[in-house]
Amino acid sequence: SAVISQKPSRDICQRGTSLTIQCQVDSQVTMMFWYRQQPGQSLTLIATANQGSEATYESGFVIDKFPISRPNLTFSTLTVSNMSPEDSSIYLCSVAGAGSSYEQYFGPGTRLTVT
Amino acid sequence: AQSVSQHNHHVILSEAASLELGCNYSYGGTVNLFWYVQYPGQHLQLLLKYFSGDPLVKGIKGFEAEFIKSKFSFNLRKPSVQWSDTAEYFCAVISDSWGKLQFGAGTQVVVTP
Repeated sequence: SAVISQKPSRDICQRGTSLTIQCQVDSQVTMMFWYRQQPGQSLTLIATANQGSEATYESGFVIDKFPISRPNLTFSTLTVSNMSPEDSSIYLCSVAGAGSSYEQYFGPGTRLTVT
Repeated sequence: AQSVSQHNHHVILSEAASLELGCNYSYGGTVNLFWYVQYPGQHLQLLLKYFSGDPLVKGIKGFEAEFIKSKFSFNLRKPSVQWSDTAEYFCAVISDSWGKLQFGAGTQVVVTP
């Protein structure tokens, strides 16, 4: 399984600002995913990030609000732009397993609080 | 709409009791099924998975799950829980090609000594 780290682990931000979350994997992976877990709720997929192509966003999520970069096979960033208190969530990145596996491995998450 | 339903949001039980968590999904066709666990202060971990074959799958830490296709269910079980099983448990399903995990709402399990 892959080892995934995220930075920052948590942050408190003011309304209207932006935060970039980094996701680093210890091995090269094709597919990376970004999820949001709002307080008391389950995980919701924000987008799929493949190296060398534009991220694919799920319904309800747009690139202007959640721009994603995927510069190489071990790294990705998610930016939460123009934040509001409704963006307070845990943001997680995950990677798909190697080969034909459908398994996903998750990072520790970034706990974001917007005031 | 496609969905994953977990029957209980919060379960409290004593050590040595048996645990069963329900999970139902609404997808048709081929599915891949997972249970993930999140222990307090830790990240999400894969507990077990079903892709094909024997519908009774065994995972880590004594957990098992049974896939019943006719009932669109994938229930998680453990015969005798321990205090260390206190965690949040998520059922998840992939129904289409590669990678779009759909999670259930999660079940918070608290095991008392």
